[in-house]
Amino acid sequence: GDSVTQMEGPVTLSEEAFLTINCTYTATGYPSLFWYVQYPGEGLQLLLKATKADDKGSNKGFEATYRKETTSFHLEKGSVQVSDSAVYFCALPRSGGSYIPTFGRGTSLIVHP
Amino acid sequence: GAGVSQSPRYKVAKRGQDVALRCDPISGHVSLFWYQQALGQGPEFLTYFQNEAQLDKSGLPSDRFFAERPEGSVSTLKIQRTQQEDSAVYLCASSLGTNRNTEAFFGQGTRLTVV
Repeated sequence: GDSVTQMEGPVTLSEEAFLTINCTYTATGYPSLFWYVQYPGEGLQLLLKATKADDKGSNKGFEATYRKETTSFHLEKGSVQVSDSAVYFCALPRSGGSYIPTFGRGTSLIVHP
Repeated sequence: GAGVSQSPRYKVAKRGQDVALRCDPISGHVSLFWYQQALGQGPEFLTYFQNEAQLDKSGLPSDRFFAERPEGSVSTLKIQRTQQEDSAVYLCASSLGTNRNTEAFFGQGTRLTVV
């Protein structure tokens, strides 16, 4: 079935470091791809999305490019802040008509001052 | 408020007890999803409603789990005869509809601990 695979965490960085969190997907067709973020004590919220191949989603300094040839949607940020510490989830809608959001296991990011 | 609201935020249940978890979605959202999130894992799909119709319940782990959304708005997830393996965070999400671009809006979840 349709699924996403994320790199395991935690990812631990110093403030202003470059961030990459890897995500690859397996899907029928070409689904939209999403990154959600979960800050401590809060629910998941959409960070960014891309709806077709070569699209780049961006928000709050984060970017991810939909790469059909490598079935990837890696999340990047050029300079992380302590406030970016959270758990990041890659997601896609299940095929077959229901489009139920399907999530990866999440990658925890810890940013130190 | 304008977001998805879940209650209670925390629930401690004795093994064998029945529990009911409530989700109040964003007004006007047609679709409603329940997920189970174990510690350190991503949300795992439980069930999906479109208005009052339960269109997919393939993720419910056993017949002890039951969900309803009788008037197409508030939903309740009920777990009968709770077991320790039911301990998890239960997340509710809603969306305007379902298509390939749909964004899901999540509540803060209910943390269930079965002792």
